[in-house]
Amino acid sequence: DVKVTQSSRYLVKRTGEKVFLECVQDMDHENMFWYRQDPGLGLRLIYFSYDVKMKEKGDIPEGYSVSREKKERFSLILESASTNQTSMYLCASSQNRDRGTYEQYFGPGTRLTVT
Amino acid sequence: SQQGEEDPQALSIQEGENATMNCSYKTSINNLQWYRQNSGRGLVHLILIRSNEREKHSGRLRVTLDTSKKSSSLLITASRAADTASYFCAVFRGYSTLTFGKGTMLLVSP
Repeated sequence: DVKVTQSSRYLVKRTGEKVFLECVQDMDHENMFWYRQDPGLGLRLIYFSYDVKMKEKGDIPEGYSVSREKKERFSLILESASTNQTSMYLCASSQNRDRGTYEQYFGPGTRLTVT
Repeated sequence: SQQGEEDPQALSIQEGENATMNCSYKTSINNLQWYRQNSGRGLVHLILIRSNEREKHSGRLRVTLDTSKKSSSLLITASRAADTASYFCAVFRGYSTLTFGKGTMLLVSP
């Protein structure tokens, strides 16, 4: 069964802390994605990766970085957490095919609160 | 932007009724996808409809696509309380990425 796991379901961090959110998929997917989801704003793409060590900025990359050292793992890093980064973070993966014809598989999400 | 926009934002019905959600988008697409999200969880893919298809069924789900109107609809027949969730449409935006709409929140009351 297809599986995307995220390191934490709930996380509380203090302003200024460095935060790591990890995502692992077991489907040998080439593509991995990080979104944040906020009420009224829907899902917004932060970063995505189409191969190991490759990354592309999404719509809202400011304040975030990512790392993909292994195919199955994609990490989201908040270098210095701020209260406006309090959100639900969703990781997803998909096979690599042109024109978005493969569905994305999502993890359960990490609800991050920055105080 | 190719963002899908769902309508209505919220829908409340009784068990056994049908639920219809609509999605509009702005530019040409090669496929459109629908996802469901239960409260506080990740999204789950429901169905994909290609631009050369007009209608697709999966169990109690029926999706239509009208490329001339740049719109799609998701129909859930004989709704159950377990169908309570948010429903999102998504369109391809390049590099295997999707743009999601803001979703329709469906509440099915027993």
